[in-house]
Amino acid sequence: AQTVTQSQPEMSVQEAETVTLSCTYDTSENNYYLFWYKQPPSRQMILVIRQEAYKQQNATENRFSVNFQKAAKSFSLKISDSQLGDTAMYFCAFMKLNNDMRFGAGTRLTVKP
Amino acid sequence: DSGVTQTPKHLITATGQRVTLRCSPRSGDLSVYWYQQSLDQGLQFLIQYYNGEERAKGNILERFSAQQFPDLHSELNLSSLELGDSALYFCASSETDRRLFGYTFGSGTRLTVV
Repeated sequence: AQTVTQSQPEMSVQEAETVTLSCTYDTSENNYYLFWYKQPPSRQMILVIRQEAYKQQNATENRFSVNFQKAAKSFSLKISDSQLGDTAMYFCAFMKLNNDMRFGAGTRLTVKP
Repeated sequence: DSGVTQTPKHLITATGQRVTLRCSPRSGDLSVYWYQQSLDQGLQFLIQYYNGEERAKGNILERFSAQQFPDLHSELNLSSLELGDSALYFCASSETDRRLFGYTFGSGTRLTVV
């Protein structure tokens, strides 16, 4: 079974600074997809960024970027120029090709003014 | 609006009762997934349906069941409810050929069992 581990239950960062959230996963698959979802206090699940395992280039979406290390099975999220609106739970997710997506336990990020 | 519609948004019921949660997937999506999120917990995968058929099953209790209808909407039935079933229940949908886009989530149904 695939497992996703987020080892940081809580993190905080000062506004405008950079923070990195960690995620590791365990799989025997070679092709798969990885995602980071954000869950603000509204509880809505919002897709932040996505990565295909067969692409070596790290995905980037504006202030959000990932460091994907396939051999190490690591998929960390870097948030640059943190904003107050980034305060949320962040979930790392792994999806096999059959669309079965599994989530980590989440990291609660607080951006401080 | 994500395109995935979940009703009701809130539900309060007593222990031992039975409730039905409804989900309409985004237009064109054939797959529906149900997740349970207990307070301050991650999302636990319950079950997946694809075009009316059960495709994958996670940690779903025997007291819970689901189905997907010909119009692709799905219902999650929770019976003999216990206090521990209080949670946020998410429905998500996806289009098989667009895996890179992940899932589109509904806004969830918050179930409170008293």
